[in-house]
Amino acid sequence: DTAVSQTPKYLVTQMGNDKSIKCEQNLGHDTMYWYKQDSKKFLKIMFSYNNKELIINETVPNRFSPKSPDKAHLNLHINSLELGDSAVYFCASSQGADTQYFGPGTRLTVL
Amino acid sequence: AQSVSQHNHHVILSEAASLELGCNYSYGGTVNLFWYVQYPGQHLQLLLKYFSGDPLVKGIKGFEAEFIKSKFSFNLRKPSVQWSDTAEYFCAVKQGSGGYQKVTFGTGTKLQVIP
Repeated sequence: DTAVSQTPKYLVTQMGNDKSIKCEQNLGHDTMYWYKQDSKKFLKIMFSYNNKELIINETVPNRFSPKSPDKAHLNLHINSLELGDSAVYFCASSQGADTQYFGPGTRLTVL
Repeated sequence: AQSVSQHNHHVILSEAASLELGCNYSYGGTVNLFWYVQYPGQHLQLLLKYFSGDPLVKGIKGFEAEFIKSKFSFNLRKPSVQWSDTAEYFCAVKQGSGGYQKVTFGTGTKLQVIP
């Protein structure tokens, strides 16, 4: 069974569109994260949720809105997509301060 | 603010060579330290971690890392690399506990092992 899953795996869309990426973890972890990895492999944390509450909200445009309907899910909605949003987005989860388990990533391409 | 530095951006080694990747962090309080590996086209996976105790930690696939508190360092080592170790390596530092956990990743080091 996949521990951390993301859908879709690939997402190609036009500038200006709105899209969502979904993440689910079946590890029973209390903390979930969204990361953005750019073309140079630089990994930047975007959001962190602990027990459905937003804990960390790094400097990201407010076009990005995370939503956590329950502890096992953390979705990312992006409004008005821009070319610079093209990247691989990784979801991760952890229990407290322990190891993060990463999802397979969603490769977003904005045309 | 917390920062994590990986000074080697791209390392090229021949098989059987020894490896050491540097990682330095800036936070002076209690931290948890991690090394993650990302093989081509895959997601990040844990190599090893340090929370407390013996500062020399051993991970999977023959990797080890040494925490030197006085130097704020957590360097990754492997005595003899293999072609299959070709990957991107990320150092990560987590501070805080309970409901607040700030995690910072280094910029990554690309390791290329030549057969």
